[in-house]
Amino acid sequence: SQTIHQWPATLVQPVGSPLSLECTVEGTSNPNLYWYRQAAGRGLQLLFYSVGIGQISSEVPQNLSASRPQDRQFILSSKKLLLSDSGFYLCAWSPKYEQYFGPGTRLTVT
Amino acid sequence: DQQVKQNSPSLSVQEGRISILNCDYTNSMFDYFLWYKKYPAEGPTFLISISSIKDKNEDGRFTVFLNKSAKHLSLHIVPSQPGDSAVYFCAATGGGSNYKLTFGKGTLLTVNP
Repeated sequence: SQTIHQWPATLVQPVGSPLSLECTVEGTSNPNLYWYRQAAGRGLQLLFYSVGIGQISSEVPQNLSASRPQDRQFILSSKKLLLSDSGFYLCAWSPKYEQYFGPGTRLTVT
Repeated sequence: DQQVKQNSPSLSVQEGRISILNCDYTNSMFDYFLWYKKYPAEGPTFLISISSIKDKNEDGRFTVFLNKSAKHLSLHIVPSQPGDSAVYFCAATGGGSNYKLTFGKGTLLTVNP
């Protein structure tokens, strides 16, 4: 069966520091991969998606970036965090229509 | 422009009764619809979906109804249980190679014992 992992589970970072969140998927190949953010009291905002290795599409302009160095690995990064980057970050994978989410990373920028 | 709308931010239901969660969409290119359930500090869990070629899909206590002419779908939970208390998100996609989902803002369902 397929499994999706995200780490770390929680993170507290100062403003201006770098960020790296990692997501890996097991038990499938060539999945579509997605990064979402849920800000406090709000819905799910799609940040990036990838349909293959090295293929990244950005949905919203921001100081975040994403990379897919391997088929089942998706990384969310920032060179300098802003206070507004705080939120709950979710990675998801899909074989087709349904998306399956990881456990999420709670990021607090102080 | 909010293409998927869940107009009720919250809903409270008694245990054993029916819960009805509603969702409206504006994009006529959407052809597949999904419902997710989310507990605090966890990732959403896929519940049930429906293709635009159907008007009903049932899975145990969960039934999704689709009214294409009204661009409206609903999720029925019967009977409701306290463990169903969570935020429910409606989502839609027009397919394509990326299968991007557009989510509503969610409805908080509280099932009271």
